[in-house]
Amino acid sequence: EVQLVQSGAEVKKPGESLKISCKGSGYSFTSYWIGWVRQMPGKGLEWMGIIYPGDSDTRYSPSFQGQVTISADKSISTAYLQWSSLKASDTAMYYCVRGTMVRGVITDFDYWGQGTLVTVSS
Amino acid sequence: QSVLTQPPSVSAAPGQKVTISCSGSSSNIGNNYVSWYQQLPGTAPKLLIYENNKRPSGIPDRFSGSKSGTSATLGITGLQTGDEADYYCGTWDSSLSGVVFGGGTKLTVL
Repeated sequence: EVQLVQSGAEVKKPGESLKISCKGSGYSFTSYWIGWVRQMPGKGLEWMGIIYPGDSDTRYSPSFQGQVTISADKSISTAYLQWSSLKASDTAMYYCVRGTMVRGVITDFDYWGQGTLVTVSS
Repeated sequence: QSVLTQPPSVSAAPGQKVTISCSGSSSNIGNNYVSWYQQLPGTAPKLLIYENNKRPSGIPDRFSGSKSGTSATLGITGLQTGDEADYYCGTWDSSLSGVVFGGGTKLTVL
């Protein structure tokens, strides 16, 4: 059974750094893209970026380029999303997703993690 | 403002049929596959439809997808109270070089 299990909820102060994780199991972790989707409170879905753990090829949404860093450690089948300096506007639920990419185009996200709630408040 | 346009809400009675539209442009829906996601209250989204009209294993055939030009439609027949959720369309946008989603549609089963 394919599973994406994310790390627990976080409460941080503005300016602090953070790294959340997503562990994949039940499939070949290095053969599928893993991405991140943000959902701000009461709002819709926003794609942030995606990484191919097999060779660490990483693509970012223009809206999130330079704001976050996506990485992966294939030795432990885990992907990461990190911030160097959080803002209150980063408060949101973050989902990791397994993506299908065909000829450089992401076609869908077939599995989703349970979500990690990040709260940034002074 | 989302790149893809969905109605904020739709409603229908149990057993009835409902459709949810998703409108885009030639840079996204017009030239790329559309997928649909269901988000039940308090849970993570789940893939319902991929490549415009295909259902993943385990998704009942009450759910269907179609695409025409720069618009896509999700259809749900035999509505159940358990179908009450937010529904999102998504696709690749070639101009933005990224995935875009609709703003979501809240389905109420009266």
